[in-house]
Amino acid sequence: EDQVTQSPEALRLQEGESSSLNCSYTVSGLRGLFWYRQDPGKGPEFLFTLYSAGEEKEKERLKATLTKKESFLHITAPKPEDSATYLCAVQALRLGSQGNLIFGKGTKLSVKP
Amino acid sequence: DAGVTQSPTHLIKTRGQHVTLRCSPISGHKSVSWYQQVLGQGPQFIFQYYEKEERGRGNFPDRFSARQFPNYSSELNVNALLLGDSALYLCASSPSGSWYEQFFGPGTRLTVL
Repeated sequence: EDQVTQSPEALRLQEGESSSLNCSYTVSGLRGLFWYRQDPGKGPEFLFTLYSAGEEKEKERLKATLTKKESFLHITAPKPEDSATYLCAVQALRLGSQGNLIFGKGTKLSVKP
Repeated sequence: DAGVTQSPTHLIKTRGQHVTLRCSPISGHKSVSWYQQVLGQGPQFIFQYYEKEERGRGNFPDRFSARQFPNYSSELNVNALLLGDSALYLCASSPSGSWYEQFFGPGTRLTVL
């Protein structure tokens, strides 16, 4: 069964304190791994797509990496505006799964000034 | 450019009623996927539609149905509402029916009393 597990469930950081969020996945044939940011009561905002082990993507203070079993979202010198829930999702490479993203429960990040 | 739009923003219904939620994809996008997000959980896949045809279905009861129109907009219908249907309903669009990133709308918050 395809599955995504994110840890920790919640993370509190001081402004400027770097850390990493983890996404472990099990999927029969990975097409892509996606990171989204979600603010309370709003829809997820697309951040990154990773397709193969060893791939890395960066955007401002965020860097996403991928291995064969997990992905990390590294946050460097976070600011309070980075506070949000970060969602990880995988897409399986099989017919009927093109529109199906399998999500984890997310990591709720709080950054205090 | 306008992103994905959804209507209504909020909706309150009572048990046993029927509800219709609407979604307009990003201009040029032909695929729409629907997700249900219960508080504290990641989004869960309901349907994908591409070129007015159902391309994928998640593990939801037959009370849930959807359709896509020639202009690629979509409706999600839920019959015989249950308390457990209270959730944020998200629509996501992608360029085609194949494996692309999905871009989410702001969601419709459904409360069933």
